[in-house]
Amino acid sequence: DQQVKQNSPSLSVQEGRISILNCDYTNSMFDYFLWYKKYPAEGPTFLISISSIKDKNEDGRFTVFLNKSAKHLSLHIVPSQPGDSAVYFCAASARFASQGGSEKLVFGKGTKLTVNP
Amino acid sequence: NAGVTQTPKFRVLKTGQSMTLLCAQDMNHEYMYWYRQDPGMGLRLIHYSVGEGTTAKGEVPDGYNVSRLKKQNFLLGLESAAPSQTSVYFCASSYSDFFRDGYTFGSGTRLTVV
Repeated sequence: DQQVKQNSPSLSVQEGRISILNCDYTNSMFDYFLWYKKYPAEGPTFLISISSIKDKNEDGRFTVFLNKSAKHLSLHIVPSQPGDSAVYFCAASARFASQGGSEKLVFGKGTKLTVNP
Repeated sequence: NAGVTQTPKFRVLKTGQSMTLLCAQDMNHEYMYWYRQDPGMGLRLIHYSVGEGTTAKGEVPDGYNVSRLKKQNFLLGLESAAPSQTSVYFCASSYSDFFRDGYTFGSGTRLTVV
């Protein structure tokens, strides 16, 4: 059973527009969420994270939104640039779960973003 | 800074052969992890280590063994390779299990088992 779901395998946007990548999770004990970016033939690199006590975290062009009631988070990239073209992984952990959780990162399947010039 | 270095980068094995993938980190991280990435499957945890001399099973440990004899190195072994182990393997490390800044990943080892 997949605990972290990225239902869109791919997304294509025009340069300068907003990219919105979505992620849903099923484990209510997840309390920390991260986004990773991966270029071909490279390892994933950390992009941005958010704790469950927040609903928004911003870092430059990247903003992550968390809706705990819907068990949904999204990554917004504004404005999108061709260099943003990559696979984006959503990941989650139950870092502060008292029992039954796992502090290890659980990854989604990824969404391939293509930003067209 | 080298970060996390994986060797080799590519390897082709015949079914039944054995090999060891090496992961080395120079950041003095306590925690190290081995993941595999398969098309449409995302990243799945194979084994991990919370410190020198320790190892633990992840989500998909069958067919693999690991060792962490030195803090900076984490080895992943395949005793008898199978075609189902064709994958891209990523090693990662972290300072603690509170990953405010996430894991640091290596660039991967692409393994093909024929």
